[in-house]
Amino acid sequence: DAGVIQSPRHEVTEMGQEVTLRCKPISGHNSLFWYRQTMMRGLELLIYFNNNVPIDDSGMPEDRFSAKMPNASFSTLKIQPSEPRDSAVYFCASSFLGTPETQYFGPGTRLLVL
Amino acid sequence: AQSVSQHNHHVILSEAASLELGCNYSYGGTVNLFWYVQYPGQHLQLLLKYFSGDPLVKGIKGFEAEFIKSKFSFNLRKPSVQWSDTAEYFCAVHSGGGADGLTFGKGTHLIIQP
Repeated sequence: DAGVIQSPRHEVTEMGQEVTLRCKPISGHNSLFWYRQTMMRGLELLIYFNNNVPIDDSGMPEDRFSAKMPNASFSTLKIQPSEPRDSAVYFCASSFLGTPETQYFGPGTRLLVL
Repeated sequence: AQSVSQHNHHVILSEAASLELGCNYSYGGTVNLFWYVQYPGQHLQLLLKYFSGDPLVKGIKGFEAEFIKSKFSFNLRKPSVQWSDTAEYFCAVHSGGGADGLTFGKGTHLIIQP
């Protein structure tokens, strides 16, 4: 298996622009997690889905952030409008629904908002 | 809510030195515990995990960790480090009965000097 796939790997954008991050979980996994990594706050869970349904989005920082999972093999995290403080590495992870403690991480998207 | 505390943000050691990275968590119930490693420019990889049973857990690359329930600790150890162990190390907790996401510590940046 190719593992969790994220795109793009790097994104540089200007403040106010819309940013869309993409994630393809491991085939057969039915839980998907979005994390954000910053120097100040470390790794934080933003939102997670079970069977394509958002379960807990309490970690999403504000309304500018939204996430969707239209099918079992694809999820997006959108920031609109983006701000410099959104600069971070965004990780996607997936797992089987019955074993959420065993998560496999993607390579991350390094986002820089100027 | 659970939290994870890693005592050392930066550690510098010489090759062949022994390593111990501290990790404490706060959660009163059953927990699953993890150590992840992030090599420069790479994504998170699982080093080892504890679910139950023998509190001394052995992982990849010669790492081990000991779960001490009375101290709420899960310290990572390696008897003799190598230059290639230079990386960021994250301790993480999954509570099992609550939200499915992992709660991470802020990480310890380990630098091994040749």
